[in-house]
Amino acid sequence: AQSVTQLGSHVSVSEGALVLLRCNYSSSVPPYLFWYVQYPNQGLQLLLKYTTGATLVKGINGFEAEFKKSETSFHLTKPSAHMSDAAEYFCAVSVVNFGNEKLTFGTGTRLTIIP
Amino acid sequence: ETGVTQTPRHLVMGMTNKKSLKCEQHLGHNAMYWYKQSAKKPLELMFVYSLEERVENNSVPSRFSPECPNSSHLFLHLHTLQPEDSALYLCASSQEVANSGNTIYFGEGSWLTVV
Repeated sequence: AQSVTQLGSHVSVSEGALVLLRCNYSSSVPPYLFWYVQYPNQGLQLLLKYTTGATLVKGINGFEAEFKKSETSFHLTKPSAHMSDAAEYFCAVSVVNFGNEKLTFGTGTRLTIIP
Repeated sequence: ETGVTQTPRHLVMGMTNKKSLKCEQHLGHNAMYWYKQSAKKPLELMFVYSLEERVENNSVPSRFSPECPNSSHLFLHLHTLQPEDSALYLCASSQEVANSGNTIYFGEGSWLTVV
């Protein structure tokens, strides 16, 4: 079975600083990897996803993530944080097993931006 | 504006009440989902429907009863709930259930408080 670990339930960065949110996964088959963002009082919105091909994936709002198979990681980064980035971020892994796709979410990382 | 709309956004109910949560997707998707989001826990997948047929039920107590009358609508009927059922209930949809790398689109959620 697959699993996702997000290191750090809370991350604070200064406005303009680098954002790094960590995600490690375990999967017995090649995974598909996602980052979702949840703004206050809203549902989850897809930021970016990795399925196949280029391991560096660019998403919305200037975020990107790199799939590193050797490290089983899919960390989310943004070069310069903006106040509007304050939200909760969820990493998720999906595998297809016997024709069924199963999506597993991490516990989330709350990102706070310091003015 | 999300393609998945949920009503009501907030619901307070007593343990003996019967209420329903409603979800509608305007994306032409074939799969719909109910997730439960509780504080400090990963998102919990409750039910999955594909073309109005339930394809997954993750050991959810019978006090939660889903209904999918067509591929655009999904209900979650609630009766004799417990205080620990208080959570954010998220509806979601995707093009297909078993399709590698599916993007799942979420509604804004229904906040449920059981008193």
